[in-house]
Amino acid sequence: AQRVTQPEKLLSVFKGAPVELKCNYSYSGSPELFWYVQYSRQRLQLLLRHISRESIKGFTADLNKGETSFHLKKPFAQEEDSAMYYCACQGGSEKLVFGKGTKLTVNP
Amino acid sequence: GAVVSQHPSWVICKSGTSVKIECRSLDFQATTMFWYRQFPKQSLMLMATSNEGSKATYEQGVEKDKFLINHASLTLSTLTVTSAHPEDSSFYICSASSPTGWLQETQYFGPGTRLLVL
Repeated sequence: AQRVTQPEKLLSVFKGAPVELKCNYSYSGSPELFWYVQYSRQRLQLLLRHISRESIKGFTADLNKGETSFHLKKPFAQEEDSAMYYCACQGGSEKLVFGKGTKLTVNP
Repeated sequence: GAVVSQHPSWVICKSGTSVKIECRSLDFQATTMFWYRQFPKQSLMLMATSNEGSKATYEQGVEKDKFLINHASLTLSTLTVTSAHPEDSSFYICSASSPTGWLQETQYFGPGTRLLVL
């Protein structure tokens, strides 16, 4: 069964600083990886998925199969990026498994 | 597009009563809907997966007789918490996906329902 680890519960950076939210997964095959974001008092929403290779709101994430990681990065954090971020992994036809989330706070 | 709604957004009930939560896909047909439970400061835990017109598939440890799921149409799934007890108090979130077209099996989440059982 797949497992997702987000080692940081809380992450605080200053506006304009680079930010990296870590995510490691364990799955024997080739999973699909996602980042979901939940802004304050809003629903969970998809930020990006590795298969689409998009950059959303300045965020990017690269799947590193060697390190089994899918870290989320943004070169210049903005205050509006403050939110809960969940990494998720889906292997084949299996269920979507979420990490415990990282709360990002971007300070002015 | 791809909006999922839940009703009610919060509910308070007495122990022993049953509570029904609705999940609707507003602008797409969801062949599959998922029900999650989220405890405070915890991640989302999948409870069950339901496909339209068939019985739900429950995750290990989830009592199917307690958490009744019905997916009668392509836009509506319901979760009924039967004989609710205080330990059932939680945040219940549904999501919906469609395997066709541009949605490409991405799950779209509802806003969640906060259940408090007294």
